[in-house]
Amino acid sequence: EPEVTQTPSHQVTQMGQEVILRCVPISNHLYFYWYRQILGQKVEFLVSFYNNEISEKSEIFDDQFSVERPDGSNFTLKIRSTKLEDSAMYFCASNGGGAGGTGELFFGEGSRLTVL
Amino acid sequence: GQSLEQPSEVTAVEGAIVQINCTYQTSGFYGLSWYQQHDGGAPTFLSYNGLDGLEETGRFSSFLSRSDSYGYLLLQELQMKDSASYFCALDRAGNNRKLIWGLGTSLAVNP
Repeated sequence: EPEVTQTPSHQVTQMGQEVILRCVPISNHLYFYWYRQILGQKVEFLVSFYNNEISEKSEIFDDQFSVERPDGSNFTLKIRSTKLEDSAMYFCASNGGGAGGTGELFFGEGSRLTVL
Repeated sequence: GQSLEQPSEVTAVEGAIVQINCTYQTSGFYGLSWYQQHDGGAPTFLSYNGLDGLEETGRFSSFLSRSDSYGYLLLQELQMKDSASYFCALDRAGNNRKLIWGLGTSLAVNP
């Protein structure tokens, strides 16, 4: 069964460092997302991406963050100059696209980021 | 803005039925989704209500009433493996599925 894969599963970094989280969405999906979940809290929308550009972003997704689809399969989230409060689980998700239907999002297992 | 409220914790026993309620405030949306999450792992899709009424998928059912700004997830014949967090999420249909999530309900199923 097709699945969304994310790497790394866990990354520890020093405050101020840059991190890149990688995702391989389901191959025929068209819409890609990054969500964040701070430990014990709700899942928060960061950004959606379609047709090689950001379609929507939240207030959380400030200039510190960027996304890229460098090739036909990878979808990356870059966090520049990490802060302690960036420590969270970052989930990538994809969707087949199109109006109607259930709009089911398929999530990866997440990348846990710990900023020290 | 948009916000959702759900109970933080629910406890039930194996074989029982449990209902997790979700109330929301929104200026507009197209549907209410439910996701399950085990131990901080990947959220998995359970159910979606685009229209008012009941949607049934096996042991899980979900209900939506737009006039009451209310929905619920009903889990029947509870099993230990159903112990997880359950999130309701407002869904904006169309090409861009953003999802605005509730805080989640932690369900503990006891023997």
